Amino acid sequence: DGGITQSPKYLFRKEGQNVTLSCEQNLNHDAMYWYRQDPGQGLRLIYYSQIVNDFQKGDIAEGYSVSREKKESFPLTVTSAQKNPTAFYLCASSEQRFYTEAFFGQGTRLTVV
Amino acid sequence: KQEVTQIPAALSVPEGENLVLNCSFTDSAIYNLQWFRQDPGKGLTSLLLIQSSQREQTSGRLNASLDKSSGRSTLYIAASQPGDSATYLCAVPNQAGTALIFGKGTTLSVSS
Repeated sequence: DGGITQSPKYLFRKEGQNVTLSCEQNLNHDAMYWYRQDPGQGLRLIYYSQIVNDFQKGDIAEGYSVSREKKESFPLTVTSAQKNPTAFYLCASSEQRFYTEAFFGQGTRLTVV
Repeated sequence: KQEVTQIPAALSVPEGENLVLNCSFTDSAIYNLQWFRQDPGKGLTSLLLIQSSQREQTSGRLNASLDKSSGRSTLYIAASQPGDSATYLCAVPNQAGTALIFGKGTTLSVSS
């Protein structure tokens, strides 16, 4: 089945630690995105990538980093500089920007312990 | 700046009722509009995508309409079932197509 796979489903981060969230798609989509979802605030864009080896900051990129070395993979690293990382993280992809249908993964819930 | 609003924030209905969820957007120059469903603790599932040139799209018991001139879209759910209970989100792309702008959703509860 084609789709987007996010792992892990749950992740716990200690203070001062960097953690990486995985996102893999087999839809052959060029564009991939990371969103953060917080209760009462809706979804906010962290980073997006239109093609391999290129990515751009979204609205809330501070404290996050990404890479796009392969078309199917777009991992997100939450660094120690992100002061409030507890949230639900969603990865998405689309054929070509959001002019085409967007598909989302099942999400990763990150909790600071 | 584009803003998307969904009213009501929550809705409770008995099983079998037909219902309408509303979505409004401030900038009518949209490329498309997409409706999603989100179950608690899960990701988003795409329900319907309406292109700007279309007036409506149908999938099973779901029908979505789009009125660009008034900045509105509605999602009609026929003969609601308890399994329809979820949060429904609408979203439009920004002008560059690099981000989806979401409403905050309508949480639907269908009781049996």
